[in-house]
Amino acid sequence: SQKIEQNSEALNIQEGKTATLTCNYTNYSPAYLQWYRQDPGRGPVFLLLIRENEKEKRKERLKVTFDTTLKQSLFHITASQPADSATYLCARPPPGGGNKLTFGTGTQLKVEL
Amino acid sequence: NAGVTQTPKFQVLKTGQSMTLQCAQDMNHEYMSWYRQDPGMGLRLIHYSVGAGITDQGEVPNGYNVSRSTTEDFPLRLLSAAPSQTSVYFCASSYSEGREQYFGPGTRLTVT
Repeated sequence: SQKIEQNSEALNIQEGKTATLTCNYTNYSPAYLQWYRQDPGRGPVFLLLIRENEKEKRKERLKVTFDTTLKQSLFHITASQPADSATYLCARPPPGGGNKLTFGTGTQLKVEL
Repeated sequence: NAGVTQTPKFQVLKTGQSMTLQCAQDMNHEYMSWYRQDPGMGLRLIHYSVGAGITDQGEVPNGYNVSRSTTEDFPLRLLSAAPSQTSVYFCASSYSEGREQYFGPGTRLTVT
């Protein structure tokens, strides 16, 4: 099966702290992983893509890691702000690549003042 | 660019009725997808297209039909709506394989 798991419990953190979200996958290791942000009532918005040969990718306050040994990707938001509050989704393609993504259920992040 | 647009935003159907959810993109993307999103289930792929005239099934295709006559449009048809099809539907497009997907604003469908 193409299982991809994210922590379903909401993550509450204080403003200014680093938020770390986890994406675990089973069976095969994907060619890449994608991370999206989704706000209530809106469609997901792409944030970062990390390929299997990349250990780490950064974009402004965002950092994604990809550990094929642990079958895990970590998504970090440094210096978090209340505006970062949203649900974050990870997604992987089928074996061999392609665009037919399988999404995790997402983790809701709440950044409190 | 408008990006990915979807109509309608909301729709209520009675069991057995048919309807078409519209999706259009103005970015000249070859790849387009339809997903449904249900609480606790995440986004699940319904149908997929890699270009005009080419479609493929996703994880949950039953009860839905698609066609792709142009690069811009990718409508999703419900031939006989069922309460199990109550969901939020998202259309997405991407430039090529392995690239980011651009999502529309979604259609919230309720089947009574």
